[in-house]
Amino acid sequence: DGGITQSPKYLFRKEGQNVTLSCEQNLNHDAMYWYRQDPGQGLRLIYYSQIVNDFQKGDIAEGYSVSREKKESFPLTVTSAQKNPTAFYLCASSSQYNSPLHFGNGTRLTVT
Amino acid sequence: KNEVEQSPQNLTAQEGEFITINCSYSVGISALHWLQQHPGGGIVSLFMLSSGKKKHGRLIATINIQEKHSSLHITASHPRDSAVYICAALLGAQKLVFGQGTRLTINP
Repeated sequence: DGGITQSPKYLFRKEGQNVTLSCEQNLNHDAMYWYRQDPGQGLRLIYYSQIVNDFQKGDIAEGYSVSREKKESFPLTVTSAQKNPTAFYLCASSSQYNSPLHFGNGTRLTVT
Repeated sequence: KNEVEQSPQNLTAQEGEFITINCSYSVGISALHWLQQHPGGGIVSLFMLSSGKKKHGRLIATINIQEKHSSLHITASHPRDSAVYICAALLGAQKLVFGQGTRLTINP
């Protein structure tokens, strides 16, 4: 079955460490997105990519980095520069901008 | 003020009741998404619409472009409908703005 896989589901890190969240899709979608979800707030866009080897910053890109070396994969690195990294991170994809989004099950990151 | 506002924030109802969740937006949009987030965190896309009405099973989504308003209705609600429902407005070609979500609890 086609879908988006995020791993791991839970991730714990010490402050000051970089951590990479995985997102893989087998839907043959061109566009992929990373969102952050905090309690009581709507999802906020971190980065998005419309095509391999290209990506753009979203609304809250500071302290994050991404790569898009393959169509299927869009990993997100949370760097030590991100001041409040503890959150729920969701990856999504779509075939084009004006088509339904497909979401992964999310990664809950806790930094202490 | 957020560009996308949902109401109510929380809704508790009894099994079988007709449910309405509202979404208002303040800018022109090209489409509106309704999403469902279950307790585990995964999100499922329910509808994407730019005009009129869509129906899937017991779920109905409507949108009024002139009034900048959309509603999600659930008929014959069931405890398995308990989830957070999120609307998201597509502004222009790429920018999606999400509402804060409505937490729905259906009691048996």
